[in-house]
Amino acid sequence: EPEVTQTPSHQVTQMGQEVILRCVPISNHLYFYWYRQILGQKVEFLVSFYNNEISEKSEIFDDQFSVERPDGSNFTLKIRSTKLEDSAMYFCATPENNEQFFGPGTRLTVL
Amino acid sequence: LAKTTQPISMDSYEGQEVNITCSHNNIATNDYITWYQQFPSQGPRFIIQGYKTKVTNEVASLFIPADRKSSTLSLPRVSLSDTAVYYCLVGVPNSGYALNFGKGTSLLVTP
Repeated sequence: EPEVTQTPSHQVTQMGQEVILRCVPISNHLYFYWYRQILGQKVEFLVSFYNNEISEKSEIFDDQFSVERPDGSNFTLKIRSTKLEDSAMYFCATPENNEQFFGPGTRLTVL
Repeated sequence: LAKTTQPISMDSYEGQEVNITCSHNNIATNDYITWYQQFPSQGPRFIIQGYKTKVTNEVASLFIPADRKSSTLSLPRVSLSDTAVYYCLVGVPNSGYALNFGKGTSLLVTP
């Protein structure tokens, strides 16, 4: 089964700080997605990234968020100035065949 | 995107068959029905996908009536490890669009 990896598994930060979450999707894929899940709530779409450009984003993905592909294999989600309500699990995913493969997630805790 | 409706929660005993029904009255002609499973603190995982009639794999069966306005995920002989949240999604696979998760059905399997 294709594997998507994410680092770190858990990130604790102070409100107002910047965080960078990393994802290594299935190799050679041009498409990837970021989702988040606040504790006890549903999985919410943040942004999709195709061929080095944002292809779709939700209303959650405001100016404090950004995505990049700093090198050929890694993708990052940056939150510029974290807020308490950014505390959530963040998942990246890439499509393969007819499904999306999700990473194990990064648990972000903002204090 | 077609809206889906499924029960919030279900309980079952080990060894029983569990059927989770999802309503999707506004399903479009090109839409497929896909089910994902999510364990606590993990990313969603693809279970099964179908367009019409019945699909079966090593994990589950998916029953889709002729009008495709609903579907039923069937888990045979559940075990404790099947305790998870199950999501029904409707859309075009590999279209590049993000997955639109609802609240899912929280299945609790007890001895």
